[in-house]
Amino acid sequence: DAEITQSPRHKITETGRQVTLACHQTWNHNNMFWYRQDLGHGLRLIHYSYGVHDTNKGEVSDGYSVSRSNTEDLPLTLESAASSQTSVYFCASSMTVTGELFFGEGSRLTVL
Amino acid sequence: GENVEQHPSTLSVQEGDSAVIKCTYSDSASNYFPWYKQELGKGPQLIIDIRSNVGEKKDQRIAVTLNKTAKHFSLHITETQPEDSAVYFCAASIGSGGGADGLTFGKGTHLIIQP
Repeated sequence: DAEITQSPRHKITETGRQVTLACHQTWNHNNMFWYRQDLGHGLRLIHYSYGVHDTNKGEVSDGYSVSRSNTEDLPLTLESAASSQTSVYFCASSMTVTGELFFGEGSRLTVL
Repeated sequence: GENVEQHPSTLSVQEGDSAVIKCTYSDSASNYFPWYKQELGKGPQLIIDIRSNVGEKKDQRIAVTLNKTAKHFSLHITETQPEDSAVYFCAASIGSGGGADGLTFGKGTHLIIQP
């Protein structure tokens, strides 16, 4: 079955370190998204991509970057991790721009 | 930008009773309203959605109603079962055609089904 996988599922890092969270989908979806989930804030969009070499900033993009070199992967990079970036991160993909979002199981990141 | 308010933040109901979760939105241009269910340790999953040209949509025990004049929409779950226990998120989109980049999520409702 097609799926969307995130890795690592759990990570602890130190302030100032670079961290990359991986997202891989096998649906061949053009559209991919990264959200963060925090208590009291729900889901907030970080970055998104509508295809290879396309990337766009979302609501809370400061301190994050993404790159899209193929259809299947959209890695999320924290250039210099901060404690405020401690969160659960969800990757999602969709077949169409207007379509259902399919979420991964999340990556819990703790920045000490 | 769009602002989505969701209430209540926690809802506890007896098994077999109905549950209603309400959301309001601020931008009258919003035209797509999905509901996602998130089980513990998993990512959210779409359970039902509605577009602005429809006032109500039903799928078995789940229904969503939309009042565009009042700018609010609600999720109704009837005959609740233990597997309905989860966090539910509403969302609204101001993107053209309801694009996912324009989705604004509510803060979520933790639904607890008491046996």
